[in-house]
This record gives sequence, C-alpha cells and structure tokens, in this order.
Amino acid sequence: DVKVTQSSRYLVKRTGEKVFLECVQDMDHENMFWYRQDPGLGLRLIYFSYDVKMKEKGDIPEGYSVSREKKERFSLILESASTNQTSMYLCASNSGRAYNEQFFGPGTRLTVL
Amino acid sequence: QKEVEQNSGPLSVPEGAIASLNCTYSDRGSQSFFWYRQYSGKSPELIMSIYSNGDKEDGRFTAQLNKASQYVSLLIRDSQPSDSATYLCAVNVEDSGYSTLTFGKGTMLLVSP
Repeated sequence: DVKVTQSSRYLVKRTGEKVFLECVQDMDHENMFWYRQDPGLGLRLIYFSYDVKMKEKGDIPEGYSVSREKKERFSLILESASTNQTSMYLCASNSGRAYNEQFFGPGTRLTVL
Repeated sequence: QKEVEQNSGPLSVPEGAIASLNCTYSDRGSQSFFWYRQYSGKSPELIMSIYSNGDKEDGRFTAQLNKASQYVSLLIRDSQPSDSATYLCAVNVEDSGYSTLTFGKGTMLLVSP
C-alpha cells in the first residue's frame, strides 16, 4: 500500500510565525504535491515537485515555498503565516508513470491566530 | 483555466438505491479521470479511475466516461449509509510538460437508512 504521512494532524500557529509542514512517502514516487482545501473552494494546488530539488508553482503559490532535498520528503513552508492561511493542507504523491493517480496523506489542519 | 464542474449537492438517496454522481470537464486533452471519496475531516481516498470511453465496474461502483461529451460519472449501487461522503472528480491536465490533477469541488452524498 502507498503510504503518505504528514508531520502533524493539527497545528496552531501565530501570525508572523514561520511554519513547516512535512510530508513523507514510502513508495519511491517521483512526484509530490501540496494542496490546500477550503470550504467552497475545493482542492487547490500550491506547489509540486517532479524530482529532488525541483519545484513548480501550482495555482496559488503566493505566501508559500517548498523544499525537496530527498526523494521521499517534500516540505511546505509558510514564511510568515497569516490568518488567511488557516486551512487543511494535503500532501499527495504519484509515480509519474502512466496514469497519474495521486495518493493523499492524512492532512494537516492548520490554524493561524 | 481548466475546469471541472460538479453539483455540490447534497444528493440524498435512501439505503439500497443507486446514487449517480456527475462531472464535466473543460480540457479536451485530458486522458485520465478519477473519483475520490472524502469523509468529513479526512483526506481524499481514490476509489475509481477510468481512462477510456465506456464503463468500468469495481464492486458496487461503476465509472462511466464519455470523452466526446466531456462527461464522467460515478454510479454507486446498493448505496449504504457508510457511502455518505463528499465525492471529488479529478481530471488530469497537461501543462508545460507536467501532468497535474484538477479537482471539482465535490458532491456531497447522503444515504439515509
């Protein structure tokens, strides 16, 4: 079974703090993705990575950065957290071959006060 | 902007009935289509994938694809209360050599005992 894990299920931070969300997959997948999910807005792609040290912007990259130093690990960084970044953050991965199905981690519910 | 449209619902069906969930997409170049189930507070779980026109059956689930009409659907036979969840339609999008998924906002399904 594909396993994608995320560092925290729930996280509470204060405005202006630097926040790290980590994601690890154990299936040797090439591609990894970060989404946020908000009521009424659905899943929106923040950043993705198709290889170590490579990254591409998704639909809403503003206010975020990412890091992929190892194939299995993809980190999302909020440089200076703001209240409008309160959301559910979901990490996903896929093999990059054939049919592109993505597998999700359990999610991190981030609250910025 | 590539779009995936779903009725938000809720779609209410009695236990044992057939639930029919629909999705339309705008990108004619899309080749892979997925249905995810998401329980409240949980992450999306892949339940069906379909790549060619026609029907694909897996247990109580049937996915249907019509590329000419840019339409994909999910039928759930013998619906159970445990099927109550939000169902997300996802469609692959090719852009600048990368393949990502665009998600609909989901249809909430409620199955009453």
